[in-house]
Amino acid sequence: DAGITQSPRHKVTETGTPVTLRCHQTENHRYMYWYRQDPGHGLRLIHYSYGVKDTDKGEVSDGYSVSRSKTEDFLLTLESATSSQTSVYFCAISPHSFSTGYLRGSGNTIYFGEGSWLTVV
Amino acid sequence: TQLLEQSPQFLSIQEGENLTVYCNSSSVFSSLQWYRQEPGEGPVLLVTVVTGGEVKKLKRLTFQFGDARKDSSLHITAAQPGDTGLYLCAGVNNNDMRFGAGTRLTVKP
Repeated sequence: DAGITQSPRHKVTETGTPVTLRCHQTENHRYMYWYRQDPGHGLRLIHYSYGVKDTDKGEVSDGYSVSRSKTEDFLLTLESATSSQTSVYFCAISPHSFSTGYLRGSGNTIYFGEGSWLTVV
Repeated sequence: TQLLEQSPQFLSIQEGENLTVYCNSSSVFSSLQWYRQEPGEGPVLLVTVVTGGEVKKLKRLTFQFGDARKDSSLHITAAQPGDTGLYLCAGVNNNDMRFGAGTRLTVKP
């Protein structure tokens, strides 16, 4: 198993409160990602990081911010939680970018954490 | 609407049966990946297909990438209860990867 730890694994919070989810990796991979998974939508990318202090938005970034101050840690913050942000959040890591993986002819192997279940009431 | 449509959404079969699930898109992908996800866990990569028409086998699982690189199929021979899970496809273009909503497979003993 890839060394990815997500915390907390389960959280219930109230609407309007800030929430931070933490992803910690021991693989020294350059790329880290935050996804959310909802029924009927599959996994959707929120934000990703391609290095320390280097981050970019994904498909569903509104209402979320991220920070990466160390290679091993990638934090996802819900600035003011809403009920629509009730979801399962997955952190993922990879050694290469998708384009590099393609050029290598092998694709890009992405490893997912076990998920964080967030309920906003 | 999903960029990648997976069908069927749900599939319940008996142990020993064969099945095929599909992943379709109107977009062309540089590569396509299949994942399996079990309850309470994150997705685990099964295979990556890169070349149009490519076929890859993983024990009883056969993966095919369409000639036009817009679609893919996963065929399971003699399904077992251990195959139960959510099967996700993901299409990759440049640095963008998009997931389908998945096929939830249940294999009954």
